[in-house]
Amino acid sequence: AQSVAQPEDQVNVAEGNPLTVKCTYSVSGNPYLFWYVQYPNRGLQFLLKYITGDNLVKGSYGFEAEFNKSQTSFHLKKPSALVSDSALYFCAVTSPRSSASKIIFGSGTRLSIRP
Amino acid sequence: NAGVTQTPKFQVLKTGQSMTLQCAQDMNHNSMYWYRQDPGMGLRLIYYSASEGTTDKGEVPNGYNVSRLNKREFSLRLESAAPSQTSVYFCASRDLGGGPTDTQYFGPGTRLTVL
Repeated sequence: AQSVAQPEDQVNVAEGNPLTVKCTYSVSGNPYLFWYVQYPNRGLQFLLKYITGDNLVKGSYGFEAEFNKSQTSFHLKKPSALVSDSALYFCAVTSPRSSASKIIFGSGTRLSIRP
Repeated sequence: NAGVTQTPKFQVLKTGQSMTLQCAQDMNHNSMYWYRQDPGMGLRLIYYSASEGTTDKGEVPNGYNVSRLNKREFSLRLESAAPSQTSVYFCASRDLGGGPTDTQYFGPGTRLTVL
């Protein structure tokens, strides 16, 4: 069965510092991995994804994520945080073997950037 | 190109009432999904439709039914609403390319309160 874990409910970072939001996954076969961001009272917006190829994936708003197969992780990173990055972040996983294309989401991590 | 649209945006029901949440996408995607989002629970999959004419249960299907009316539309019905169904409901669609185009897109959400 597929599963995603986001071990931190909240991450607090000072503006200008690097940030990391952690995600680990469990899936049969090769994973497809996604990061989404949700701002208050809004739907989820796609940030980036890993399907195949380069382990370092670059996405929207200066975010990037590194796929690590041996650690089954896909941590979201940004070199210099902005206050406007404060939001709820979701990691998600699926695979080509997944029954009829289900995507499973983590429980979310609230990122708070202080000025 | 409106993406994924949902109606209504807000709804208040009394226990035992029924209602249908509507979802439509104009991206010609094969797969559509219904999720609910509750505080601290992340997104949980209720039902999904891998392609027109098929529907399958997700993680939390009890108390819900769905209809994939055509390729564009995927509705979620609550036959007899319960307070436990108070939540924010998101519809999503996905192009199952399995490659660079494989991304899930979300609607703006429906905030449902059951009294």
